[in-house]
Amino acid sequence: DSGVTQTPKHLITATGQRVTLRCSPRSGDLSVYWYQQSLDQGLQFLIQYYNGEERAKGNILERFSAQQFPDLHSELNLSSLELGDSALYFCASSTRSYSGVEQYFGPGTRLTVT
Amino acid sequence: AQTVTQSQPEMSVQEAETVTLSCTYDTSESDYYLFWYKQPPSRQMILVIRQEAYKQQNATENRFSVNFQKAAKSFSLKISDSQLGDAAMYFCAYDGGANSKLTFGKGITLSVRP
Repeated sequence: DSGVTQTPKHLITATGQRVTLRCSPRSGDLSVYWYQQSLDQGLQFLIQYYNGEERAKGNILERFSAQQFPDLHSELNLSSLELGDSALYFCASSTRSYSGVEQYFGPGTRLTVT
Repeated sequence: AQTVTQSQPEMSVQEAETVTLSCTYDTSESDYYLFWYKQPPSRQMILVIRQEAYKQQNATENRFSVNFQKAAKSFSLKISDSQLGDAAMYFCAYDGGANSKLTFGKGITLSVRP
């Protein structure tokens, strides 16, 4: 158990819908990361937040957005969902934001778009 | 942009034997970090080993060690005394720049024969 929690574990929804994935980092971690794992694209970095501020952005679609709240939990919002958005979405956390820091991964949220 | 290449999609090893998983990367940065992550069937991402590029000494964690060749941009993982529990997908990852964001290879599926 990494100490990172993600809810829900599974999510099934239809095309065109909007969903919110939630992540609670390990106690004391200020940095949160979101990754997408799909058959087509592999594991991709989406976005990083540190203490409420966006720090780095990867291959995140405009239909996707994220935020980190004052209590440090983070949410990833996916809208106008398409079949290709079906994937495993990981959240990770770390104590700092700079490169090389160890990231602890949550168990993931499995999103299925039908 | 940084890229990570894992050219072998699958490998197999006999229990108690040694196996080496290959990884190459491309970067123009001089300071960076490299990781190997394990993803068992549970899909949990588990950090196996970490290497700082500025360190010439290869990292070692129990049965896991790396062969880091900075000039060749190669970072292979050696698993000694392979165990059934080592069966998983293994991802090589790169982390560089001011803010941490992991760039992953496509992964390699390792099976262990009893």
